[in-house]
Order: sequence, then C-alpha cells, then structure tokens
Amino acid sequence: AQKVTQAQTEISVVEKEDVTLDCVYETRDTTYYLFWYKQPPSGELVFLIRRNSFDEQNEISGRYSWNFQKSTSSFNFTITASQVVDSAVYFCALSVTNTGNQFYFGTGTSLTVIP
Amino acid sequence: EAQVTQNPRYLITVTGKKLTVTCSQNMNHEYMSWYRQDPGLGLRQIYYSMNVEVTDKGDVPEGYKVSRKEKRNFPLILESPSPNQTSLYFCASSLSAGRRDEQYFGPGTRLTVT
Repeated sequence: AQKVTQAQTEISVVEKEDVTLDCVYETRDTTYYLFWYKQPPSGELVFLIRRNSFDEQNEISGRYSWNFQKSTSSFNFTITASQVVDSAVYFCALSVTNTGNQFYFGTGTSLTVIP
Repeated sequence: EAQVTQNPRYLITVTGKKLTVTCSQNMNHEYMSWYRQDPGLGLRQIYYSMNVEVTDKGDVPEGYKVSRKEKRNFPLILESPSPNQTSLYFCASSLSAGRRDEQYFGPGTRLTVT
C-alpha cells in the first residue's frame, strides 16, 4: 500500500526564519514519483516540484530547496528566509508506476509566516 | 490560456438530488482526475482517467460516477448525494499519467449537501 505522512499539521514561523516541512512516504515500488504542491489562502493548488525515485539529487529553486533521501523515505521541503507570501498549506504527494496510476496526497502542512 | 475549468464553483443541494460537476481542460491532456479535500484528510483521489473511455477508481469512489467521452471533459456525477459528500472538489489534468507529469488543478467546487 502507498502512503504519505505529513506529521506537521500546522507550523508558525516569524518572517525571515527558515522552515522545513517534512514528508515521509511508504511504497514497495522501486519506481515512483514525489511531488509538492502549494495551496495559498485563495485555494488554488500550485505545482512546486516533481522528483522520480531514481534521482536523489537535492534541488534548489530560489528560496526553496528539497531534500530527497530514499534511505529514510523522506522528501522534505525547506523554505529559506520565509516571507508572508509563503503562508499556505503545502501538500506532498506520491505516485507509483507498477500498481496503477493513482496519486496519494498527504494531509498537508499549514504554514503561517508572521510578519 | 491553458486551464482547467470547473462548474459550478459553489453548490448547495439536498440529499438525493442528482448533480453533475463539470470539468474541462484545454491542454489536450490525457490524464484527468477528481479529488476531494476535507479538513485533516488532505486530498483524496476519487476517480481518474488515463484517456477517452478509460476510467478507474481512486481511493474513495463510493457514491460517485465519472465518464470520459471526450478528451477535454471529465464530469463528476453524484447520483444520490448524501451529507458526507459535502466537500471541496478539485479536478486535475496532466499531459501523461505514464510519465507522472505535474497535474494542473481547477479552481475547486465547494459542495454542500443538506
């Protein structure tokens, strides 16, 4: 069975602090994809990143960075020097290729950046 | 403009009254999907479609139907809605499921069943 766990339900940080959002996934498939999506207060869902299971390189995009570690089944997301516009709910998701074409989302982490 | 549209955006209905939420994409995407979002539960996949006339169940298909007669449209049908189907619904599409491309989401439909 596939599962995504985002243990942090809510996080509050003060502006300019760094924050890491945790994502732990479970799958027995060797080929899978991991995603992060952002849902700002306006409600739309915005794609942030996709990673496949064969690419463990960390990625940095501006203030955003992602740390993929297969050894711990984690795909964590760090925002450096957080800003108020980063306030949103963030979802981690998993899709495997050998047992269907479903997507499995975590329960989300609500991030509030306090000015 | 590339987009996924859903209608209606808000709907209040009564138990048992059949309803359809439409979803349309203009990106020629093969893969389309419906999700529901509930507090504390995140997004859960209801149904998905790999292509025209190909649909399959997600994690929470009970009480829902879908059809994919045209590539661009993927309506969600609730034949006899119940209060536990009160939720925020999102339609999404992606170029190809096989490559697990990023999904583009519609704006959401907030459904209340009384």
